[in-house]
Amino acid sequence: AQKITQTQPGMFVQEKEAVTLDCTYDTSDPSYGLFWYKQPSSGEMIFLIYQGSYDQQNATEGRYSLNFQKARKSANLVISASQLGDSAMYFCAKKTGNTPLVFGKGTRLSVIA
Amino acid sequence: DGGITQSPKYLFRKEGQNVTLSCEQNLNHDAMYWYRQDPGQGLRLIYYSQIVNDFQKGDIAEGYSVSREKKESFPLTVTSAQKNPTAFYLCASSIFPPGQGNSPLHFGNGTRLTVT
Repeated sequence: AQKITQTQPGMFVQEKEAVTLDCTYDTSDPSYGLFWYKQPSSGEMIFLIYQGSYDQQNATEGRYSLNFQKARKSANLVISASQLGDSAMYFCAKKTGNTPLVFGKGTRLSVIA
Repeated sequence: DGGITQSPKYLFRKEGQNVTLSCEQNLNHDAMYWYRQDPGQGLRLIYYSQIVNDFQKGDIAEGYSVSREKKESFPLTVTSAQKNPTAFYLCASSIFPPGQGNSPLHFGNGTRLTVT
């Protein structure tokens, strides 16, 4: 089975600082997609950013960027200029072939004023 | 506005009773999914459907059943055979089925089921 590993159960960051959330994955398929989702305490899952395995550049979406290192099989999420509203659970997910998204266990980010 | 509606937000049932969770989408998406989330855990796939009248088991399908009679609707029934049904259930959809590219999932707000 595909495995997505998020090694940081919890992270703290000072407001306005940048933070990196780690994600590594197993794969034997050269073609795959990587996703990051945010889950606030209210429970909904919010799509943040996508990286395709063949994309030449790292994905960016506003304050979110993806540090994609294909050889290391890692896709770390970088949040710049953290805001109090960034406090949430963050999930890394991977899609390969015909199978739906597989999710990691998540990292709880707490932004401190 | 288009989106996915899950109802109810909270659901309480007695052990031994079947319960059906509703999921409706007006995004005109082909594929729909059910995931289960337990405290401190990621999302685990229960069932998914790529097209009307078709669905496939996910990683933890035992004790659950689904139907896809309409494109907009994908209800999930938690049967009495499910050993640990108390969990947070998330419904999602994607514009394309899993086999047609890497389209992101759009999620509903979830249903928190408690069985006592």
